[in-house]
Amino acid sequence: AIQMTQSPSSLSASVGDRVTITCRASQGIGNDLAWYHQKPGKAPQLLIYAASTLQSGVPSRFSGRGSGTDFTLTISSLQPEDSATYYCQQDYNNPCTFGQGTKLEIK
Amino acid sequence: QVQLRESGPGLVKPSETLSLTCTVSNASVFSGNYFWNWIRQTPGKGLEWIGFIEYSGNTNYNPSLKSRVTMPVDTSKSQFSLMLSSVTAADTAVYYCARGHCVAATCPLDFWGPGTLVTVSS
Repeated sequence: AIQMTQSPSSLSASVGDRVTITCRASQGIGNDLAWYHQKPGKAPQLLIYAASTLQSGVPSRFSGRGSGTDFTLTISSLQPEDSATYYCQQDYNNPCTFGQGTKLEIK
Repeated sequence: QVQLRESGPGLVKPSETLSLTCTVSNASVFSGNYFWNWIRQTPGKGLEWIGFIEYSGNTNYNPSLKSRVTMPVDTSKSQFSLMLSSVTAADTAVYYCARGHCVAATCPLDFWGPGTLVTVSS
């Protein structure tokens, strides 16, 4: 199975900061990568798919880049409601796999 | 807006079969370019994809669980199901159903149910 490794595992940032989370695949996955965030007690919510396409209804401060093995999720101006755990996921091949998560805390 | 909701027993005994149903609202399970997924989440292993049934009725399972997983079809209802046999404590998790919406070669999970906690214990 393709392993997805996220960094950092956790971070703390202030409202208005620019934040970047990295996801690395153990082998090339083209651009078959999605990003989700999950708040406590809730299901994950899709933010970005195909590495860089913003899901309908998701604020434009979220953006994604990358292809092959290295991907990033950037929040351009952090808002209080962005406090959550962020996951990347590949569905390039079976089984689809998720990263271990990055917990984002607002200072 | 598409809605999904998981239902089923919250407690299952070891060696028995876990059985969950996902009810879909405002969408048909067997039309369109969609894949209907089960995913589970534990503190230790994180998010783990279990498998999907696609609109045509074909299934695809995670190889690590394939020998124990079945996703039966119910064409009369907007529902799809998960059956996981011979459960152990390691199968204790929050189980989610989710819709995969395929765009080109990728099928991101765009709608999720709220999740249901299943505990395996005698």
